[in-house]
Amino acid sequence: GENVEQHPSTLSVQEGDSAVIKCTYSDSASNYFPWYKQELGKRPQLIIDIRSNVGEKKDQRIAVTLNKTAKHFSLHITETQPEDSAVYFCAASIQTGANNLFFGTGTRLTVIP
Amino acid sequence: GAGVSQSPRYKVAKRGQDVALRCDPISGHVSLFWYQQALGQGPEFLTYFQNEAQLDKSGLPSDRFFAERPEGSVSTLKIQRTQQEDSAVYLCASSPTRGMNTEAFFGQGTRLTVV
Repeated sequence: GENVEQHPSTLSVQEGDSAVIKCTYSDSASNYFPWYKQELGKRPQLIIDIRSNVGEKKDQRIAVTLNKTAKHFSLHITETQPEDSAVYFCAASIQTGANNLFFGTGTRLTVIP
Repeated sequence: GAGVSQSPRYKVAKRGQDVALRCDPISGHVSLFWYQQALGQGPEFLTYFQNEAQLDKSGLPSDRFFAERPEGSVSTLKIQRTQQEDSAVYLCASSPTRGMNTEAFFGQGTRLTVV
């Protein structure tokens, strides 16, 4: 099955700086890569996603890049704000069967005011 | 309701007790998934329903775990003879399409503690 690895496990940045979280996946059949933000005690919420037919997608301060050849994708947050502090999960979905999501182990981002 | 609703939010069970966790997906959503999230970890897939059909249960850790969605809407995850290693947050997610290659909406989860 699919194996998703995520780094770093924790990340602290100063407010206004950029944050980058990286993920790798193992199954070349994966073609949908969402990122979820989970605040303490709350549900995971989708913040951005990318499909394998594009290499980059941007939404205001958030961008995701995908390198299918190398099987890795990254989340970039610019101009970080304290409310960006949360745990971020990457995930990959194989376009067969149930298409269920395989999640990374999460990155705890802390934005220091 | 506007989102995926799970109940109860918190459940404490004595080891050996049976528990039932409920998920109300967004109305009309075809796909329903159950995930188990251990402390400090990412969600791990348990099982998937497309309408009332359970198409994948490969993630269920043992035969003590059972899930159903008899009418293609509400789903129940049942754990028999709970053990301490079952302690986790159980997340339900639904999606309007088959599978999870479009946005999946998660519930807030049920935190199960087995003592």
